[in-house]
Amino acid sequence: NAGVTQTPKFRILKIGQSMTLQCAQDMNHNYMYWYRQDPGMGLKLIYYSVGAGITDKGEVPNGYNVSRSTTEDFPLRLELAAPSQTSVYFCASSPLGQTNYGYTFGSGTRLTVV
Amino acid sequence: GNSVTQMEGPVTLSEEAFLTINCTYTATGYPSLFWYVQYPGEGLQLLLKATKADDKGSNKGFEATYRKETTSFHLEKGSVQVSDSAVYFCALSSNNAGNMLTFGGGTRLMVKP
Repeated sequence: NAGVTQTPKFRILKIGQSMTLQCAQDMNHNYMYWYRQDPGMGLKLIYYSVGAGITDKGEVPNGYNVSRSTTEDFPLRLELAAPSQTSVYFCASSPLGQTNYGYTFGSGTRLTVV
Repeated sequence: GNSVTQMEGPVTLSEEAFLTINCTYTATGYPSLFWYVQYPGEGLQLLLKATKADDKGSNKGFEATYRKETTSFHLEKGSVQVSDSAVYFCALSSNNAGNMLTFGGGTRLMVKP
């Protein structure tokens, strides 16, 4: 199994540009999450989804949008990139009803906005 | 609400030294507890977990015991290696928060040869 796959691994954006960070999981997990990790810092939850068609805001949702049309995919959209969005972005997933499972993380997307 | 507090880093040790990274938590109910490790340039990987009081999670020489009386889940290793240099995150999940994990702020470990 591939687990959680994130693309691209690296990206440089200019201020005001838009892009979509892709996340796909092949474990049939209901729950999916997007986090950002600033240098030397912990994780901050951007958005999460408890199933296809259902999304909700996390701690730092401003400047981002998500959709969840299928169980497998959970893309994160940046509409007007700003330098403050320079960060490493991690997608994660977990199965429904198993609070002792934890998360499976992707390997991350390193985004620089210049 | 739920919260996790970790000791601040960086923690710098010489190879073969004993490691302890403290983690305490606040949660209602009976949470499951986790340690994740993040090697440089990589995502987080589950290191070990414990799902009930007095359980000991262990993996790759690391151990942590779920202590309900002190609400702690300290990470220990008897003899660290340079390859253990990474950031370590303590986390919990509980039934009152669905599947959501609450993470600590992370502790960076640097092991010198």
